[in-house]
Amino acid sequence: AQSVTQPDIHITVSEGASLELRCNYSYGATPYLFWYVQSPGQGLQLLLKYFSGDTLVQGIKGFEAEFKRSQSSFNLRKPSVHWSDAAEYFCAVGLYNQGGKLIFGQGTELSVKP
Amino acid sequence: DTGVSQNPRHKITKRGQNVTFRCDPISEHNRLYWYRQTLGQGPEFLTYFQNEAQLEKSRLLSDRFSAERPKGSFSTLEIQRTEQGDSAMYLCASPRGETGELFFGEGSRLTVL
Repeated sequence: AQSVTQPDIHITVSEGASLELRCNYSYGATPYLFWYVQSPGQGLQLLLKYFSGDTLVQGIKGFEAEFKRSQSSFNLRKPSVHWSDAAEYFCAVGLYNQGGKLIFGQGTELSVKP
Repeated sequence: DTGVSQNPRHKITKRGQNVTFRCDPISEHNRLYWYRQTLGQGPEFLTYFQNEAQLEKSRLLSDRFSAERPKGSFSTLEIQRTEQGDSAMYLCASPRGETGELFFGEGSRLTVL
């Protein structure tokens, strides 16, 4: 069955430090992969997506993610975290052969220390 | 603004009452999805429509839940005889273009007392 695992429930980083959020997926075909961010009381905002081609994808707000097929991973990175990045981050796999629905991970809550 | 509109944003109801949520998706797309999100969890797929046809329903969608999309435009999600376990955020999503990314509404938060 398809699934997405985000191993870290909560991560705290200092402002200005680098960030990496982990995501592993299980899917039998080439995946569509996504990262979304959700601030408290807000809806989900798409950060970036991977469909094909270059395995390093750039997104909004200075985020990037790298698709590694051999590791079934799609980790999210940012070189320097800002206090406004504190939020919940969700990784998702798109099942294009099942109507395009997304399967989400449980999320990683990011806290930023001043 | 994603272009997906949901109403009401918040609903507080007593156990046993019926509630209905509405979603107005991005107008030019024929697919629409409903998700449920509980505290500390990622969104869980409930159902999706292609035009007015409901093509898949998750086993999370019990008999008390019904979703419709008349005329392939807006959609409604009704929960009958609400239970405290129904308390959650109900999210609607719509694709933009053919590349598969979903854009979500702000959600409808349900609290069942």
